[in-house]
Amino acid sequence: DAGVTQSPTHLIKTRGQQVTLRCSPKSGHDTVSWYQQALGQGPQFIFQYYEEEERQRGNFPDRFSGHQFPNYSSELNVNALLLGDSALYLCASSLMRLSSHEQYFGPGTRLTVT
Amino acid sequence: AQSVAQPEDQVNVAEGNPLTVKCTYSVSGNPYLFWYVQYPNRGLQFLLKYITGDNLVKGSYGFEAEFNKSQTSFHLKKPSALVSDSALYFCAVKTDKLIFGTGTRLQVFP
Repeated sequence: DAGVTQSPTHLIKTRGQQVTLRCSPKSGHDTVSWYQQALGQGPQFIFQYYEEEERQRGNFPDRFSGHQFPNYSSELNVNALLLGDSALYLCASSLMRLSSHEQYFGPGTRLTVT
Repeated sequence: AQSVAQPEDQVNVAEGNPLTVKCTYSVSGNPYLFWYVQYPNRGLQFLLKYITGDNLVKGSYGFEAEFNKSQTSFHLKKPSALVSDSALYFCAVKTDKLIFGTGTRLQVFP
């Protein structure tokens, strides 16, 4: 049973560029959430996707957008990259019908913006 | 506002001794509470959760946590620490979204 997978593992981009990160949820899960973890901080919620729609959003600008595909996988897009976007981006999957919404995390994508 | 506080940046404990990592929360209503562990260059691994029921929750790797509603706390505990427990620990509360604390680094010395 494959867990949550993310690609790529590491990424280096230049300010102003755009980036796409990818996530495949744990088998059987239908909900994907994205988090940004800056160095020395706890993860911060970006948004959540369910049934191919953004269901909830944290306090992140519109430069951060996402998509969920029919197979439940998801992408996180960040436009006009800033140095402050450098962080570990974590994807988590869960099953919406479970009220506890226990989330399983992937290994993350380390984004460095220079 | 919903929030989670982990008052200690780092906890040091000798191997074999009991450990406690503290967490307090502020939410309206009944919270779902979680503990996650993060090893270097890894994602978060689920340790345990409190939804309802017994205040003492048992989780993975011998960890347990005690829910105290009056003190709004959810401290992580282990009776006997191992060097391999050294990692970054996050407390989180789920309302409409998962809110994490800032993390506590646990260092277990041989």
